[in-house]
Amino acid sequence: QSVLTQPPSVSGAPGQRVTISCTGGSSNIGSGYDVHWYQQLPAAAPKLLIYGNNNRPSGVPDRFSGSKSGTSASLVITGLQAEDEADYYCQSYDTSLSGWRVFGGGTKLTVL
Amino acid sequence: EVQLVQSGAEVKKPGESLRISCKGSGYTFTDYCITWVRQMPGKGLEWMATIDPSDSYTSYSPSFRGHVTISTDWSISTAYLQWSSLKASDTAIYYCARHKITGNSHFDPWGQGTLVTASS
Repeated sequence: QSVLTQPPSVSGAPGQRVTISCTGGSSNIGSGYDVHWYQQLPAAAPKLLIYGNNNRPSGVPDRFSGSKSGTSASLVITGLQAEDEADYYCQSYDTSLSGWRVFGGGTKLTVL
Repeated sequence: EVQLVQSGAEVKKPGESLRISCKGSGYTFTDYCITWVRQMPGKGLEWMATIDPSDSYTSYSPSFRGHVTISTDWSISTAYLQWSSLKASDTAIYYCARHKITGNSHFDPWGQGTLVTASS
């Protein structure tokens, strides 16, 4: 059971918008800790997608955006493309367990 | 270009020891931490441990403390993850990732991963 909760799967047709949620609690996201998002394409290493809740590294399309509110965060992908089919993970910091870095369980995005 | 290059795939028997590596390049190795992350077959990412190469300070997830050891050799910009006695349940892909020393910093970049198979 992950400290951060994500839906196991989401799907959308090309061109649509999808949202992936990441729900935490008072010892992690709710304490003000930043949320980061990673994309893992099939058979590849994870790659940083969003950092500090809503910042995109150089090279990441502006179709990807992040937000945070209270004890939750969201990743939004607009103009869905076939190449976006991947697993997405949120990550934050948790103070209830000796300052761990924690991941969400991951969300599989399927482009229909 | 900042890169982390990991050692190759390993096949070992349960009970054997193993050390895998992660070599950093394109940056000052001691200016950033290295974290190790496990991904079991078909599963998600799990934080294992973090090391600060500047002073070798380490922190471990309780799930992994006592079963693995992390270390660095800053002279060759390399971090290590080692087991003294592998279990079949250690079969997984292990990633290293770089991040700033301060607070809840993001992981970037990641190594390409090392597949460890522990099977009799």
